[in-house]
Amino acid sequence: DSGVTQTPKHLITATGQRVTLRCSPRSGDLSVYWYQQSLDQGLQFLIQYYNGEERAKGNILERFSAQQFPDLHSELNLSSLELGDSALYFCASSVGTSGANVLTFGAGSRLTVL
Amino acid sequence: KNQVEQSPQSLIILEGKNCTLQCNYTVSPFSNLRWYKQDTGRGPVSLTIMTFSENTKSNGRYTATLDADTKQSSLHITASQLSDSASYICVVSASGGYQKVTFGTGTKLQVIP
Repeated sequence: DSGVTQTPKHLITATGQRVTLRCSPRSGDLSVYWYQQSLDQGLQFLIQYYNGEERAKGNILERFSAQQFPDLHSELNLSSLELGDSALYFCASSVGTSGANVLTFGAGSRLTVL
Repeated sequence: KNQVEQSPQSLIILEGKNCTLQCNYTVSPFSNLRWYKQDTGRGPVSLTIMTFSENTKSNGRYTATLDADTKQSSLHITASQLSDSASYICVVSASGGYQKVTFGTGTKLQVIP
């Protein structure tokens, strides 16, 4: 157990729907990161939050949004889902914001869009 | 543009053998390089992290090397075990904020009996 908790582990939904993925960071970590990993692809950075504020943005689609709450947990909202959104979505956390921080990853949420 | 290239893309070795994975990068200004191990369907786990001044770091049977002059790193796995079957991801950070982190696409290693 890495200390980063992601729910749900698996999610199956239909095109056009909206889902919310949840992440609780490791105790003491203030930064949360979201990644998308499609089948046999590398990790694609989506977005980073630090202590409730957005800090860095990667290749996140406009249909996707995220936020970090005062208790530091984060949610990734995916709307108007398309088949191509099927992927593993990972959350990671770290103490600070710099690229030097080692990330601790959660086990991922597997999204299947039918 | 910052880039991280890993080779080979995939590798099959016999249990007990050694192997070496390569990572070439063009990230600048360099801050640190990390190797992660990702089991299929699981989140990546950090193996080693090296800064500019470090050229070797070990974690059990895993040894990472860094040549900051040639911008190359390698991950050497000794006496491979079936549990080493995974993807190994090289991640390079430039100085600055998190948007300066560049992920490689990984090497998929399969260890067979």
